[in-house]
Amino acid sequence: EPEVTQTPSHQVTQMGQEVILRCVPISNHLYFYWYRQILGQKVEFLVSFYNNEISEKSEIFDDQFSVERPDGSNFTLKIRSTKLEDSAMYFCASSEDRGGAGELFFGEGSRLTVL
Amino acid sequence: GEDVEQSLFLSVREGDSSVINCTYTDSSSTYLYWYKQEPGAGLQLLTYIFSNMDMKQDQRLTVLLNKKDKHLSLRIADTQTGDSAIYFCAVNDNTDKLIFGTGTRLQVFP
Repeated sequence: EPEVTQTPSHQVTQMGQEVILRCVPISNHLYFYWYRQILGQKVEFLVSFYNNEISEKSEIFDDQFSVERPDGSNFTLKIRSTKLEDSAMYFCASSEDRGGAGELFFGEGSRLTVL
Repeated sequence: GEDVEQSLFLSVREGDSSVINCTYTDSSSTYLYWYKQEPGAGLQLLTYIFSNMDMKQDQRLTVLLNKKDKHLSLRIADTQTGDSAIYFCAVNDNTDKLIFGTGTRLQVFP
């Protein structure tokens, strides 16, 4: 069964460093997303991406964050100058249709710990 | 904006049915989802329902949607210990994003 894969599964970084979280969406999907889940809190939408550009982003997704699809398979989330409060599980998701439209699949997540 | 609420905990005996409830505020939600999250794992899509449906059944899972009351429920028949997890309700608000509930931790005891 096709699945969304994410790397790394866990990254520890020092405050102020840059991190890149990587995702390989399901191959025939066109819409890509990043969500995050701070420990004990709700899963929150960060950004959606379609046709090589951001289609929607939340208030959380400020200039510290960026996304890119550098090639035909990877979808990355870059977090610049990490802060303690960026510690969270980051989930990548993909779908064939906009907004999930019934089938929105998530990866296993990348746990980011900022020290 | 959209708000999605769930009760935090549910404890059931193995073999019984579990019913996990969810309420939402935006009546224009098109798709409503149930995801399962096991400890340390990702979000597994269990099932979803389109807003023009009242019920959807998929093996042991039954989803009921009451649009008037903006209430969604997930019933798990013959609950097993392997069903112990956090269950998230999520709704699509007709944009690109899903709005998630707080999650309900289901504990199944023998």
